[in-house]
Amino acid sequence: KQEVTQIPAALSVPEGENLVLNCSFTDSAIYNLQWFRQDPGKGLTSLLLIQSSQREQTSGRLNASLDKSSGRSTLYIAASQPGDSATYLCAVREGNQFYFGTGTSLTVIP
Amino acid sequence: KAGVTQTPRYLIKTRGQQVTLSCSPISGHRSVSWYQQTPGQGLQFLFEYFSETQRNKGNFPGRFSGRQFSNSRSEMNVSTLELGDSALYLCASREPDSPFSGNTIYFGEGSWLTVV
Repeated sequence: KQEVTQIPAALSVPEGENLVLNCSFTDSAIYNLQWFRQDPGKGLTSLLLIQSSQREQTSGRLNASLDKSSGRSTLYIAASQPGDSATYLCAVREGNQFYFGTGTSLTVIP
Repeated sequence: KAGVTQTPRYLIKTRGQQVTLSCSPISGHRSVSWYQQTPGQGLQFLFEYFSETQRNKGNFPGRFSGRQFSNSRSEMNVSTLELGDSALYLCASREPDSPFSGNTIYFGEGSWLTVV
């Protein structure tokens, strides 16, 4: 069964710092990988989707990479802002099933 | 386009009661899936419906059930509620996949269920 791990569970950085969030998965036969953010008490907002054939995707200050062979993805956030404070989750898709990590709680300190 | 809409947003039920949650997917999305989110277990998959048929089911007891209507709206039902069913229930929808690539899944704001 696919297992998705996100380390660290929590991260606190000063405003303006560049940071990297990690996601690892055990089975490399994935269809795609998606990064989400979740604000307290809210649903998940999609950030980036990387197909299995792709290596990276970019949106604004966000860049996500995928290395299927090593079972890893990273989410790079440039010039972090207090508004980036949220929980970030990754999800891998196998067939029609999605497996989620437990998330990294990010706090950006003004 | 309107997003995924879930109702009700908050509800409190007593042990032993049953509850029905509703989800309206984004227009044109035929796949609807449900997840339970708790602080201890994270996001756990409940089931997925596509064109009114359950396509996948997670590892939850039979007290958890769902259905999808012809307009793609979906409901999930939990019978004989237990304290441990207190959670955020999230619904997600997506478009049919295009060849060789899967589409983004979109989540609703969730329904907060508290069982007392």
